[in-house]
Amino acid sequence: EDQVTQSPEALRLQEGESSSLNCSYTVSGLRGLFWYRQDPGKGPEFLFTLYSAGEEKEKERLKATLTKKESFLHITAPKPEDSATYLCAVQAAIQGAQKLVFGQGTRLTINP
Amino acid sequence: GAGVSQTPSNKVTEKGKYVELRCDPISGHTALYWYRQSLGQGPEFLIYFQGTGAADDSGLPNDRFFAVRPEGSVSTLKIQRTERGDSAVYLCASSFSANTEAFFGQGTRLTVV
Repeated sequence: EDQVTQSPEALRLQEGESSSLNCSYTVSGLRGLFWYRQDPGKGPEFLFTLYSAGEEKEKERLKATLTKKESFLHITAPKPEDSATYLCAVQAAIQGAQKLVFGQGTRLTINP
Repeated sequence: GAGVSQTPSNKVTEKGKYVELRCDPISGHTALYWYRQSLGQGPEFLIYFQGTGAADDSGLPNDRFFAVRPEGSVSTLKIQRTERGDSAVYLCASSFSANTEAFFGQGTRLTVV
């Protein structure tokens, strides 16, 4: 069964304090790994898709990396507006399997 | 509109009642998904449509849940004989095709009292 585990569950940082969020996964063949940001009361907002080990993508203060067993979301010099829940999800490379399997998320708080 | 639109934003219903939740996907997106999210958890897959047909309904919890997409655009999630355990945020997402990133709506918060 495909499974995604995110750690830590919650993380508090000071503004400017860089850190990383972890997403460990088991999947029967990976088609893609997705990162989303979710603000309270809103739907998830797409950030990145990673397809193969070694791939990296960047957007502003965020950088996502992928290995065969896990993905990291690195946040550099975060600002209070980066506070949100970050969700990781995998899509299996199985014919007809299009669903995303999500982790429980990491709730990130950046204090000014 | 530019994004995925879900109506209503909030729905409170009594136990045992029937509810319908609506999703308007991004124009031109052929793939549509329904997910359910409980407090403090990630979204859980319910059903996936490619065009008008339900290509994967393996996430529907039981036969009280049903979804349609008759013209390949708007979708409706229908829940019969609602139970308190059905209370959650129901999220809809659409994507241009099956293997591209999905964009989510803001969700419908369903509360069964």
